[in-house]
Amino acid sequence: EPEVTQTPSHQVTQMGQEVILRCVPISNHLYFYWYRQILGQKVEFLVSFYNNEISEKSEIFDDQFSVERPDGSNFTLKIRSTKLEDSAMYFCASRGTSASSTDTQYFGPGTRLTVL
Amino acid sequence: SQQGEEDPQALSIQEGENATMNCSYKTSINNLQWYRQNSGRGLVHLILIRSNEREKHSGRLRVTLDTSKKSSSLLITASRAADTASYFCATEKSNAGNMLTFGGGTRLMVKP
Repeated sequence: EPEVTQTPSHQVTQMGQEVILRCVPISNHLYFYWYRQILGQKVEFLVSFYNNEISEKSEIFDDQFSVERPDGSNFTLKIRSTKLEDSAMYFCASRGTSASSTDTQYFGPGTRLTVL
Repeated sequence: SQQGEEDPQALSIQEGENATMNCSYKTSINNLQWYRQNSGRGLVHLILIRSNEREKHSGRLRVTLDTSKKSSSLLITASRAADTASYFCATEKSNAGNMLTFGGGTRLMVKP
């Protein structure tokens, strides 16, 4: 069964450093998302991406964040200058092939980001 | 409460019993989805129910949706120790770009 994959599974970085989290969505999906979950808290939406552009973003997704689909398979989240409060589990998700709003979002296993 | 709030926050039952988790939300939705998360792991999709559906089944799972009360329930029948996990509801709001809004989750422990 196709699945969303994410690398690395765990990233440790120093405050102020740039990190890139990588995701490979399900191959025929067109809609891509990043969410994050701070330890013990809710899963929060960060950004959605379709047709090579951001379609929606939350207040969390400020200028320190960017997303890119550099080729036909990868979808990346970059944090330019990490802060302690960026420590969280970051989930990538992808969704179907149509504009239907009833498609399931499939989540990857997550990348645990630890900022020291 | 915020969009997508589950109750109870924690539930402990014996293996073989049924587990019911509830979710309430505030705005109009396109659909509501239930996910499962084992401790520190990824989100596994369980079931999606559309706003025009009232009930859906998948194996031992039964989901109901009451749009008039803006609430949903997830029933796991004949629970197993392996069902121990956190369960989240997530709503996809109307006219909101398909982003999901998650609740705080119910931590289910099934004791053998």
